[in-house]
Amino acid sequence: NAGVTQTPKFRVLKTGQSMTLLCAQDMNHEYMYWYRQDPGMGLRLIHYSVGEGTTAKGEVPDGYNVSRLKKQNFLLGLESAAPSQTSVYFCASSYSSRQASPLHFGNGTRLTVT
Amino acid sequence: KQEVTQIPAALSVPEGENLVLNCSFTDSAIYNLQWFRQDPGKGLTSLLLIQSSQREQTSGRLNASLDKSSGRSTLYIAASQPGDSATYLCAVRPSNRSNFGNEKLTFGTGTRLTIIP
Repeated sequence: NAGVTQTPKFRVLKTGQSMTLLCAQDMNHEYMYWYRQDPGMGLRLIHYSVGEGTTAKGEVPDGYNVSRLKKQNFLLGLESAAPSQTSVYFCASSYSSRQASPLHFGNGTRLTVT
Repeated sequence: KQEVTQIPAALSVPEGENLVLNCSFTDSAIYNLQWFRQDPGKGLTSLLLIQSSQREQTSGRLNASLDKSSGRSTLYIAASQPGDSATYLCAVRPSNRSNFGNEKLTFGTGTRLTIIP
């Protein structure tokens, strides 16, 4: 059982470049989330999705876009990368949002923007 | 706005000792509280989830307690082992009366635990 898989694991971008981070889950979860983790700040929610074809903004959505065309995939895009977007990005999923449903996390993508 | 604090930021303990990790939160109107473990270079793994109506949850050598009124949770690790070395994070989900879900989780910054052999 793969769980939540993120690709790539590492990436270095130059300011202004674009990229897409892919998250895939094989647990048939409805809910998917993108977080960023920065030293001393805890995890912060970027965007989330409550089902196929739906997306919503989280706490820090600026500079990012997302898409959920298939239930198992949740893509995070950076259209014009900035050094402030240097971070570790985590994708997570859960079966239900309204019930007590633990989050399942991927292993993260370490992004550096120079 | 909910704030979650974990003190200390780092803790070193000799192998075999029992230990307690702390998590405090400012708004007691919570639905549940989760404890996670994060190994270096890895994602978070859910350890225990305590509903607001519960006092504690146990899994093996781990026991998590919740005191909503005082805004505190503790994670007790019995007979610590070197394999317990990791960062432990807690996260609070607000009350469900407004249908908030996991998208409203507030995370602490974690306690980095080192078990000394």
